[in-house]
Amino acid sequence: AQSVTQLDSQVPVFEEAPVELRCNYSSSVSVYLFWYVQYPNQGLQLLLKYLSGSTLVKGINGFEAEFNKSQTSFHLRKPSVHISDTAEYFCAVSVSYNTDKLIFGTGTRLQVFP
Amino acid sequence: EPEVTQTPSHQVTQMGQEVILRCVPISNHLYFYWYRQILGQKVEFLVSFYNNEISEKSEIFDDQFSVERPDGSNFTLKIRSTKLEDSAMYFCASGSATSYEQYFGPGTRLTVT
Repeated sequence: AQSVTQLDSQVPVFEEAPVELRCNYSSSVSVYLFWYVQYPNQGLQLLLKYLSGSTLVKGINGFEAEFNKSQTSFHLRKPSVHISDTAEYFCAVSVSYNTDKLIFGTGTRLQVFP
Repeated sequence: EPEVTQTPSHQVTQMGQEVILRCVPISNHLYFYWYRQILGQKVEFLVSFYNNEISEKSEIFDDQFSVERPDGSNFTLKIRSTKLEDSAMYFCASGSATSYEQYFGPGTRLTVT
């Protein structure tokens, strides 16, 4: 079975500072990795995904993530955050041989202060 | 850009009542999913649906739950006899076999009183 761990439940940061949101996963088979963002009172929006190939993936809104197989991690980064990045961020995995269900982490609330 | 839509946005119901949550997936997608998010908790998988049948369901998806694709566009989740603990945000998602990503609707907030 697969699982996802997001160790940081909340990450406070000042505007224009860099941020890293951590995600670790556990799986005995290959997985696809995703980051979703949820703005207040809204649904889930895909930020970026890793399926194969280059381990550094770029997504929307200036976010990027790096897949590290040896550390089973997929940390999300942004070099300079904006107030509008305040949201809940979810890391998720799915099994790569099927259009399978997503297994989500518990989420990290990013709070950007002016 | 095509999107997944869900209705209603908020449903209030009394315990023991039946509710039907509706979703219109993206038109050329073949895989459909329901997830739920209890307030303050993580998003949990409920069920996946492909080729007019359930592909997989979680332990949460017991006999009180059912899904249906009654026509070529709608995808519904029915809860036969709601419990207080069914109060949650329910998300519908759809996906294609080529992109390996799921597109989520805005959700239906279900409140059981």
